[in-house]
Amino acid sequence: QQQVKQSPQSLIVQKGGISIINCAYENTAFDYFPWYQQFPGKGPALLIAIRPDVSEKKEGRFTISFNKSAKQFSLHIMDSQPGDSATYFCAASKETSGSRLTFGEGTQLTVNP
Amino acid sequence: DGGITQSPKYLFRKEGQNVTLSCEQNLNHDAMYWYRQDPGQGLRLIYYSQIVNDFQKGDIAEGYSVSREKKESFPLTVTSAQKNPTAFYLCASTPGWAKLFFGSGTQLSVL
Repeated sequence: QQQVKQSPQSLIVQKGGISIINCAYENTAFDYFPWYQQFPGKGPALLIAIRPDVSEKKEGRFTISFNKSAKQFSLHIMDSQPGDSATYFCAASKETSGSRLTFGEGTQLTVNP
Repeated sequence: DGGITQSPKYLFRKEGQNVTLSCEQNLNHDAMYWYRQDPGQGLRLIYYSQIVNDFQKGDIAEGYSVSREKKESFPLTVTSAQKNPTAFYLCASTPGWAKLFFGSGTQLSVL
């Protein structure tokens, strides 16, 4: 059972544009929502994360928006750069499961120069 | 230089053969994880271990086995029972709740 749905599967953005990736979850017990960034041939690395007690978190050019009632969260990359080209995964977990994350399917982002 | 080391980077398996993927960490993390990555399917959990000498099945454990004899090491064996082993395998560890540190992965292919 896929508990975290991610879209789009791929995204092409021009340099300087805004990249938006969306995720929806089913399990209302989830209380931690991270985003991971993965470059080709490498393992994913934590980019930014949010908990449901806030609706938005910003770190530099990266922002997570969280809508608890809709059970959706999204990643916004402002002023997208070619170096941001990577695969992005959303994930979710519940505190009682420790670090057992459920991942979305991934979005391959390409930022054209 | 602390981190997670996976080896080999590329591995080929013959029909009916068992192969073992290595994962070593020097981060002093208690918990370690194995994920399988297929294109368009995200990361799926194979096995995880919260402490030495204990491990739990994940969502797709069939055809795989693990051991956790040392805190630093969590090897994954892909057995001949795994009929579709071609994938990118990722090992991860965590010092605590939720934040995972990943290795650089092993690409397993079938000859």
